[in-house]
Amino acid sequence: GENVEQHPSTLSVQEGDSAVIKCTYSDSASNYFPWYKQELGKGPQLIIDIRSNVGEKKDQRIAVTLNKTAKHFSLHITETQPEDSAVYFCAASTQGGSEKLVFGKGMKLTVNP
Amino acid sequence: EAGVTQSPTHLIKTRGQQATLRCSPISGHTSVYWYQQALGLGLQFLLWYDEGEERNRGNFPPRFSGRQFPNYSSELNVNALELEDSALYLCASTLEPRPYGYTFGSGTRLTVV
Repeated sequence: GENVEQHPSTLSVQEGDSAVIKCTYSDSASNYFPWYKQELGKGPQLIIDIRSNVGEKKDQRIAVTLNKTAKHFSLHITETQPEDSAVYFCAASTQGGSEKLVFGKGMKLTVNP
Repeated sequence: EAGVTQSPTHLIKTRGQQATLRCSPISGHTSVYWYQQALGLGLQFLLWYDEGEERNRGNFPPRFSGRQFPNYSSELNVNALELEDSALYLCASTLEPRPYGYTFGSGTRLTVV
């Protein structure tokens, strides 16, 4: 079945450093790749997404890249701040009438002041 | 605009009992997705409802069921509760029957003792 692998599972950086999270997916028909941020006690919040006809997308300090040939996509956070500390999930859409998002297992990011 | 609301926020049940979780989508959203977030397992797809119909279900036993009401709110029922059902149950809604731009609620924390 569809599978999304995410790594690393934890990452600790100093404030101001960059952070990169990588994901791979198995369904070559996937065409939508969102990233979610989940803070303690809250539901996941969409922070950025990318569609399969785009290779890169930026929004201020965050950017996502997609390599459809290799079936992997990445989230880049620059100039990290303590409030970026959270769990980040990548996801990929499935197709064929059973459309849903399949999520990676998440990465806990800690930004140390 | 009110977001996705879930109730109750916490629920404690005894093994073998039944649990009912509720979700109200964003106004105008017709699709509701349910996910289980167990510790260390990421988000696992449970059910998708759109326009009152069950469109898809994940790899969960039949004791997980639900429905969607005419006002598009939804409930998730878990019968014959088992200890491993303890998890955060998340509901998300979308404007169209596509998994694009899920908006999640804050979840219901179910604890089975």
